[in-house]
Amino acid sequence: RKEVEQDPGPFNVPEGATVAFNCTYSNSASQSFFWYRQDCRKEPKLLMSVYSSGNEDGRFTAQLNRASQYISLLIRDSKLSDSATYLCVVNGPPGGGSQGNLIFGKGTKLSVKP
Amino acid sequence: DTAVSQTPKYLVTQMGNDKSIKCEQNLGHDTMYWYKQDSKKFLKIMFSYNNKELIINETVPNRFSPKSPDKAHLNLHINSLELGDSAVYFCASSHSGAPREQYFGPGTRLTVT
Repeated sequence: RKEVEQDPGPFNVPEGATVAFNCTYSNSASQSFFWYRQDCRKEPKLLMSVYSSGNEDGRFTAQLNRASQYISLLIRDSKLSDSATYLCVVNGPPGGGSQGNLIFGKGTKLSVKP
Repeated sequence: DTAVSQTPKYLVTQMGNDKSIKCEQNLGHDTMYWYKQDSKKFLKIMFSYNNKELIINETVPNRFSPKSPDKAHLNLHINSLELGDSAVYFCASSHSGAPREQYFGPGTRLTVT
């Protein structure tokens, strides 16, 4: 099983649609979770952290299910500017030198059409 | 006021050459990283430096050597470049301790011919 797995997409949706991305991770000891966004030919940028109780930032909602080792990102009322690749990110196993290591999924590509 | 900067942005070179990529951050972070993103878009960590000490080395070939003159800089030197080294290399930085948000530079697109 890969460390962080995501559906690569692409997800092609019309403006205004609601879209959900899912991610699973293999290491049950992981403690920190993030969603990053990467535009074409650009660097990854932090979109939001994911907290155990779930959290929302405007149109974006992140959920974490530790028992299932599953993370989700929901985007409501999608905009053209939301078109990008969304990367699920999990920290490496604790201990040793890898605690600060972030493990990136391959990303899910979203294309929002007019 | 760029937070994490890298130079050069593009680098085209021939097999066997030695090249360096520079990275600087002005965020006051004490940990810096180098990532490689290959043609399949998979982003994988290569190194991280905390207070001038290497703390992660993800089995990267020893042709790659990070050099940190101070905690605001982490340069990547590559010897004897190979075709498979062609990729986008991203520098990033963060505060140390528990995994924190990392801030990425704009990337260096390396093409080895």
